[in-house]
Amino acid sequence: AAGVIQSPRHLIKEKRETATLKCYPIPRHDTVYWYQQGPGQDPQFLISFYEKMQSDKGSIPDRFSAQQFSDYHSELNMSSLELGDSALYFCASSSGTGLAGETQYFGPGTRLLVL
Amino acid sequence: QKEVEQDPGPLSVPEGAIVSLNCTYSNSAFQYFMWYRQYSRKGPELLMYTYSSGNKEDGRFTAQVDKSSKYISLFIRDSQPSDSATYLCAMRLSGTYKYIFGTGTRLKVLA
Repeated sequence: AAGVIQSPRHLIKEKRETATLKCYPIPRHDTVYWYQQGPGQDPQFLISFYEKMQSDKGSIPDRFSAQQFSDYHSELNMSSLELGDSALYFCASSSGTGLAGETQYFGPGTRLLVL
Repeated sequence: QKEVEQDPGPLSVPEGAIVSLNCTYSNSAFQYFMWYRQYSRKGPELLMYTYSSGNKEDGRFTAQVDKSSKYISLFIRDSQPSDSATYLCAMRLSGTYKYIFGTGTRLKVLA
């Protein structure tokens, strides 16, 4: 079965640079979620989109922005990168609004290293 | 204090043992409870999903939710070395989108 696709899988950037992470949800899933997982930490919710509109917002820094496109893929844009942004970034998708308990299926993650 | 508490382990058991993994939480409004398995450098993989209280069984896995005690458990029967991973509990409030995760318990099943 098709899963959530994330690209790139690994990314190395320098401080103050910009990074763009991409997420392609499972076909027919219309809700996308972004999480950040630091080393040895639990995933922290950043932001979610349902039908191309932001549906919820968590601990996402102002330097980050995200959007969901007409084909339901999503991009997380990260500017003025800091060393502390080094983490594993997960995208998850679900079918429906996400409010009725639809399960979130996670992608393999993008490992970002900021030097 | 974190909303969801989980013993980080590591937990080492012999092959074939029954494993018990637990999470406690502080917000009585959580309605949805999930268990994910995460192998090193991989994304979390859904194992069990439970709405409200009760038990749910799927193969070697059993999930229990005790809302009165704010306590959830995952039992793994006949544990295998391939079960060695980090197990994350996750919870969600009704009407919200985000999952609140526990820190994860590292499990090692010894052959």
